[in-house]
Amino acid sequence: GAVVSQHPSRVICKSGTSVKIECRSLDFQATTMFWYRQFPKQSLMLMATSNEGSKATYEQGVEKDKFLINHASLTLSTLTVTSAHPEDSSFYICSAGGQSGYGYTFGSGTRLTVV
Amino acid sequence: DAKTTQPPSMDCAEGRAANLPCNHSTISGNEYVYWYRQIHSQGPQYIIHGLKNNETNEMASLIITEDRKSSTLILPHATLRDTAVYYCIVSQRAGSYQLTFGKGTKLSVIP
Repeated sequence: GAVVSQHPSRVICKSGTSVKIECRSLDFQATTMFWYRQFPKQSLMLMATSNEGSKATYEQGVEKDKFLINHASLTLSTLTVTSAHPEDSSFYICSAGGQSGYGYTFGSGTRLTVV
Repeated sequence: DAKTTQPPSMDCAEGRAANLPCNHSTISGNEYVYWYRQIHSQGPQYIIHGLKNNETNEMASLIITEDRKSSTLILPHATLRDTAVYYCIVSQRAGSYQLTFGKGTKLSVIP
C-alpha cells in the first residue's frame, strides 16, 4: 500500500530559529500533499495544500511567510516553520495519496517543541 | 465538505463489536463517507470508505443508510489496540480533495 514517510518525528528548537519537516511518498507519486497541525486534545486542522511545481494554497489564518511549503518533486514536500515561537509548538502531519479513490495516507507526524 | 456529527466518546468491552455512529445529513450525491482513526501521537490511519453500498474489509465494516444521511462503522471484535479517536469524514472522491476532520469519537476498549 501507499507509504508516506515524515521526518523528523520529534524536534526541539529555540525560539527564533527555523525548522524543516519533510514528507515523502515512498512508493507512489503525489502531485498534491496536505499539511495539518494538531494541538493537544484537538482535531487536525488543515494548514495548506501543497502542489508539485506550483505555489501552495494556504488556509485562512495560516501565515504563508511563516510556514513555507516547497513541493519540488512528485515525492517530496517540505514544511519550514520560520522564526519559530513557543506557540508554534504542535503536532504537524502530512498526507498524500488518494490513488483510485482510496483513502489518503498520513505521515507519522512531527512533534515540534519550541523553547 | 458536508459536516458530520459523532458522539464524543464510547466504551466497548474487549472482544465485543464496536459500533460507531456518524450523522452526515447534508451529504451530497458525489460525496463519499471515509473513516479514519488516530492512535495517540500518531498520524491518522485509513480504515474504510463507501458511497452508498455497505463495505467490508479486513479492518471493519461500513453500513450506510439508504438515504445516506448516517453511517455506522463496525469493528467486529474490538481489541485494546483499537483504542483511538475515530473520525468520520465526508468528501468527494480522494485525489486532490482535502479532508476536513471533526472532533471524532474517542473509543476506549476496556479489558
